[in-house]
Amino acid sequence: GAVVSQHPSWVICKSGTSVKIECRSLDFQATTMFWYRQFPKQSLMLMATSNEGSKATYEQGVEKDKFLINHASLTLSTLTVTSAHPEDSSFYICSAPEDRSYNSPLHFGNGTRLTVT
Amino acid sequence: SQKIEQNSEALNIQEGKTATLTCNYTNYSPAYLQWYRQDPGRGPVFLLLIRENEKEKRKERLKVTFDTTLKQSLFHITASQPADSATYLCALNLNAGNMLTFGGGTRLMVKP
Repeated sequence: GAVVSQHPSWVICKSGTSVKIECRSLDFQATTMFWYRQFPKQSLMLMATSNEGSKATYEQGVEKDKFLINHASLTLSTLTVTSAHPEDSSFYICSAPEDRSYNSPLHFGNGTRLTVT
Repeated sequence: SQKIEQNSEALNIQEGKTATLTCNYTNYSPAYLQWYRQDPGRGPVFLLLIRENEKEKRKERLKVTFDTTLKQSLFHITASQPADSATYLCALNLNAGNMLTFGGGTRLMVKP
């Protein structure tokens, strides 16, 4: 079945540094990937839609200059948290639709736990 | 505004019983609805999809219903097992394309 691999699974960084998170579709191509963040005991909040070969689409309230998204190939999207601060500490999860149909199930990575000290 | 609501309180049931989780939505008429399972510290896993013209969908011990009049979906796990303990999320596409919006999830605890 379709597998999405996310790396790293956890990262601790100092305030002011940048962190890159990778999301790969292992056995299928993903022209679109979605990035979410999730706070403890809360739901997934969509941050942005990553589009292969074009600019990402950000949700309202998400700073595009802070959360840089690059989708340079059909199997890889990256999220870079720039100048991270403690309030950026969260669980970040990526997903990719199984196919291009409008009701396609999403396949999720296992998330990245970011802690900014 | 469009809302997706799931019971935020944990559901505790005894092993062997049927668990029923609810997903309500407002101000929208989705063409389909999906259910996912999420374990702690992991990404969600797709379980079932039900379309607006389907009243019920089954997969092994899972059953999903979709009432577009009530704007509600029910998710049932029959003969529940402790391994079914997890958070269950419903999701709708509130916009065009395959972008999903998730409910807050309900945590299910199945006690042996």
